[in-house]
Amino acid sequence: DGGITQSPKYLFRKEGQNVTLSCEQNLNHDAMYWYRQDPGQGLRLIYYSQIVNDFQKGDIAEGYSVSREKKESFPLTVTSAQTNPTAFYLCASRIGGNSYEQYFGPGTRLTVT
Amino acid sequence: AQSVTQPDIHITVSEGASLELRCNYSYGATPYLFWYVQSPGQGLQLLLKYFSGDTLVQGIKGFEAEFKRSQSSFNLRKPSVHWSDAAEYFCAVYGQNFVFGPGTRLSVLP
Repeated sequence: DGGITQSPKYLFRKEGQNVTLSCEQNLNHDAMYWYRQDPGQGLRLIYYSQIVNDFQKGDIAEGYSVSREKKESFPLTVTSAQTNPTAFYLCASRIGGNSYEQYFGPGTRLTVT
Repeated sequence: AQSVTQPDIHITVSEGASLELRCNYSYGATPYLFWYVQSPGQGLQLLLKYFSGDTLVQGIKGFEAEFKRSQSSFNLRKPSVHWSDAAEYFCAVYGQNFVFGPGTRLSVLP
């Protein structure tokens, strides 16, 4: 089955540690996205990538970093510089070009204490 | 700048009743419009989309939405709600990039 996988489902870290969230897709989509979801705030765009080896900052990129070395993979690193990292993180992809439908993974809930 | 508002934070309806969820957007041109549904702790599923053409669009699970340019609205409707429709619903627009509304939580009474 084609789709987007995010692992792990739940992630716990101590404050001051960097943590990397995985996002893999086998849909052959060109574009991939990372969103942060907090209660009552909808989804906010962290980073996005339209093609391999290229990515752009979204609205709340500070304290996060990404890489796009392969078309299928778009990992997100939450660094210790992110002041409030506890949230639900969603990865999405779309075919690219003039197709604007996004498909979402199941999400990773990160808790930092 | 783009923005999306969903005026209702939480709506409760009885099973079998009709439903309308409101969405208003701000964008200089006609954007691409979407409705997504999210069950607790899950990702988002696309319900329907509007790009151009007929302003009444049909989606999955019996949902439909109507684009009204004059009101900058894209309201989601369902004639008869089922208990399984209880979830969070997000309106989204794509103009320069994707922007999501804050969501409306739907509760369904038996």
